[in-house]
Parts: sequence; structure tokens; C-alpha cells
Amino acid sequence: KAGVTQTPRYLIKTRGQQVTLSCSPISGHRSVSWYQQTPGQGLQFLFEYFSETQRNKGNFPGRFSGRQFSNSRSEMNVSTLELGDSALYLCASSPLAGDADTQYFGPGTRLTVL
Amino acid sequence: GNSVTQMEGPVTLSEEAFLTINCTYTATGYPSLFWYVQYPGEGLQLLLKATKADDKGSNKGFEATYRKETTSFHLEKGSVQVSDSAVYFCALNFGNEKLTFGTGTRLTIIP
Repeated sequence: KAGVTQTPRYLIKTRGQQVTLSCSPISGHRSVSWYQQTPGQGLQFLFEYFSETQRNKGNFPGRFSGRQFSNSRSEMNVSTLELGDSALYLCASSPLAGDADTQYFGPGTRLTVL
Repeated sequence: GNSVTQMEGPVTLSEEAFLTINCTYTATGYPSLFWYVQYPGEGLQLLLKATKADDKGSNKGFEATYRKETTSFHLEKGSVQVSDSAVYFCALNFGNEKLTFGTGTRLTIIP
């Protein structure tokens, strides 16, 4: 079974721009979570989607948003980029039952804001 | 709230040495516990997990036992290899809720 895929792998943007990151979960997984990883703050939870609905949200400003499509693919968007948004953005998916507490991560998208 | 405290790194060991990375947690109730590993330039890979007290998770020679009485989930390996060099994260969650991570421990193995 293919793992979680994220595109693009690398992005360079300038302050004030917006960016959209994409995540395709493992086939059959319907829950998708997003995390931000930075050297200073570590791994922080952004939000989680299930069946196209946001179920949980972390403590990030409204510039960070996401959505999930009917095929469980998810996107996250960051508007009005700031230098501090430079980070590795990780997507994770979980199955519906059985292993539902386990999150499987993709390779991440490395965002650099100049 | 929930929290995870990990052994500060970096940790440097010689090949074939014994490894312990300490992890303790604070949570109300009995969470699921995980160890993830991150190799340079990659995402997180699930290394092992345990879902209830006294469960032992194991994978690739690594082991960790869910100790409810000490709220700990220490990672151990009997003989490390250069290929084990990576950053290791301890984490917890409740059901399908978000993962709460420790700060990570960077491990370097010297040949």
C-alpha cells in the first residue's frame, strides 16, 4: 500500500504571498492531520479533518486553513506568509478503525519564506 | 494538559552500544504511546507503539514498555548501528485526537 504523499516537497515563497500544500492519505484512511515542525517550537498540531469536516484545530492564527475533499485528499493554505512560517509541514493519516489511534506521516513539505 | 518529556540530546554512542532514551508523560487517563523516528530530510516514521499498561512495543530491535506506575515509555536497543542515527520522538494521544510530541532526541552512532 502506498504511503502518505505530500506535494510539493520544497517551496520557496516571499513574505506576503500565500501557499497551498497538498496531502494524499494512505488508501482507505479518512482522517488527515497536519503538523508544523520548526527547530524552535518542535512539532505542533495544526488541524485534523475527517469526512471533509474539521474535527480538531490547534492554536494557530486564521491565516492557516485547510480542507478535505471527498476522496480524503487534503490541502492546507497559508495566507500572508511571514518569515516565521518557514517550517516543515507534515501531513499524517489514520485509519477509521482498528489502528485509529495511529498516525502515519508523509515526507513533509519544506516551506521557506524569504 | 497532556505533555511529554524526553531526554535531552544530543546522544552520541559507539556502534554496538546499548541505547536508552528516556520518555515520561503527563496525561489524565491512559493514552496510547508512540515512538517515531525521523531521518535527515524525511518525515516521521512510526517505530513502535503501546496502547495499555505493561504493553511492550517492539520493532527493528527497539523496545519500549508502557509503565503506568512511572508514567514512562523509555526506548531501548541492545546494540545500535550507524544506520540508527536519527532524531527520535516520543508521543501520546487519546484515540483519534492529536499527537502530543516530546522535543525529540538526536542520536548519533559512531563507527
